[in-house]
Amino acid sequence: ELKVEQNPLFLSMQEGKNYTIYCNYSTTSDRLYWYRQDPGKSLESLFVLLSNGAVKQEGRLMASLDTKARLSTLHITAAVHDLSATYFCAVDPPIRGATNKLIFGTGTLLAVQP
Amino acid sequence: NAGVTQTPKFQVLKTGQSMTLQCAQDMNHEYMSWYRQDPGMGLRLIHYSVGAGITDQGEVPNGYNVSRSTTEDFPLRLLSAAPSQTSVYFCASNRGAIGTDTQYFGPGTRLTVL
Repeated sequence: ELKVEQNPLFLSMQEGKNYTIYCNYSTTSDRLYWYRQDPGKSLESLFVLLSNGAVKQEGRLMASLDTKARLSTLHITAAVHDLSATYFCAVDPPIRGATNKLIFGTGTLLAVQP
Repeated sequence: NAGVTQTPKFQVLKTGQSMTLQCAQDMNHEYMSWYRQDPGMGLRLIHYSVGAGITDQGEVPNGYNVSRSTTEDFPLRLLSAAPSQTSVYFCASNRGAIGTDTQYFGPGTRLTVL
């Protein structure tokens, strides 16, 4: 059974600092996704990582995937208050055929303090 | 485009009552999914559909039924509500299979079962 773990679960950081959120998963998969959720809102797709070594960047966020280590990282550079949100990773289990299955991590609540 | 819409936004039920959560998308997406979000547990997949007339179970299908008679609509039915079904429910759609296309989420339905 595929399990997805994120750490930390809660991250309080100061504006201007750098930090990394980690997403580990338990079985083979080469497809991983990052989402952002603002308080009381829905989820927004951030990154789609589809192969080992994939790296995607958008503004102050950069995501990478190491399928051999079963690890993805979401790196935050020079944090700003607008990045405060909950960040989820989700993994596509290795199942044959057309499915829409995703297993989500528990989320990392990021609070950027001025 | 309205994107993914969900109704109602809020609902309170008594144990044993039945109801249907509505989800519709106007993007002609083949794939649709229902998730529930509980505190500290991330999102969990309830049911999904890969096209009209085709549905399958996710991680937590018990107590829920779905059908997909049209491409646009994917209702979620609770036949006999239980307090354990108190949660926030999100519907999502994507044009192609996960990994080939962005997944778009609806605004959510907050359900309380007393």
